[in-house]
Amino acid sequence: EADIYQTPRYLVIGTGKKITLECSQTMGHDKMYWYQQDPGMELHLIHYSYGVNSTEKGDLSSESTVSRIRTEHFPLTLESARPSHTSQYLCASSVRLAGEGNIQYFGAGTRLSVL
Amino acid sequence: AQSVAQPEDQVNVAEGNPLTVKCTYSVSGNPYLFWYVQYPNRGLQFLLKYITGDNLVKGSYGFEAEFNKSQTSFHLKKPSALVSDSALYFCAVRPSGYSTLTFGKGTMLLVSP
Repeated sequence: EADIYQTPRYLVIGTGKKITLECSQTMGHDKMYWYQQDPGMELHLIHYSYGVNSTEKGDLSSESTVSRIRTEHFPLTLESARPSHTSQYLCASSVRLAGEGNIQYFGAGTRLSVL
Repeated sequence: AQSVAQPEDQVNVAEGNPLTVKCTYSVSGNPYLFWYVQYPNRGLQFLLKYITGDNLVKGSYGFEAEFNKSQTSFHLKKPSALVSDSALYFCAVRPSGYSTLTFGKGTMLLVSP
């Protein structure tokens, strides 16, 4: 198991609430990623970061925002949750090592339900 | 832009039989290819990768994958399936020089006793 942690694991909230999904890794990886995944479906990259103070949008447009103030922490925030945000959110991290191919390691995910 | 195709939504195999989960890719330049497995209510676990070198790569839990450049394929294989191998399998690709991965839509593997 990789040392990457997501909290909460499950979250049920009402429409309009502001939420922050936490992701932390203790491996010292410089690169971190957020994916959105509907149950049993493909992953879509929504945000990524190459290091502190670096954030980029991914392939799938998302109303969420991210920040990277510390290497180990990459939280995702929804200012006003809507039912369309119901999904599973997966966080991952990686580091470029020669010959290793920049393997991404994943957290267990946060399953979000917006009522 | 790169893409990954996993043509089978589901693969069914009996325990003890060999299994193959198919993956084809499209990428500019040399591909870095990966297989991940996802168990219910869990994140993805890395299984194996192809970077360069031997076309047959071995990974975790007895899985292996064969890289075929001419067919742009990277099929996942195991000689003898276990019931515990039942899970969702994802193939992913990234071009050399990039960090972001492109995933296939996943293939559900069901191994029956």
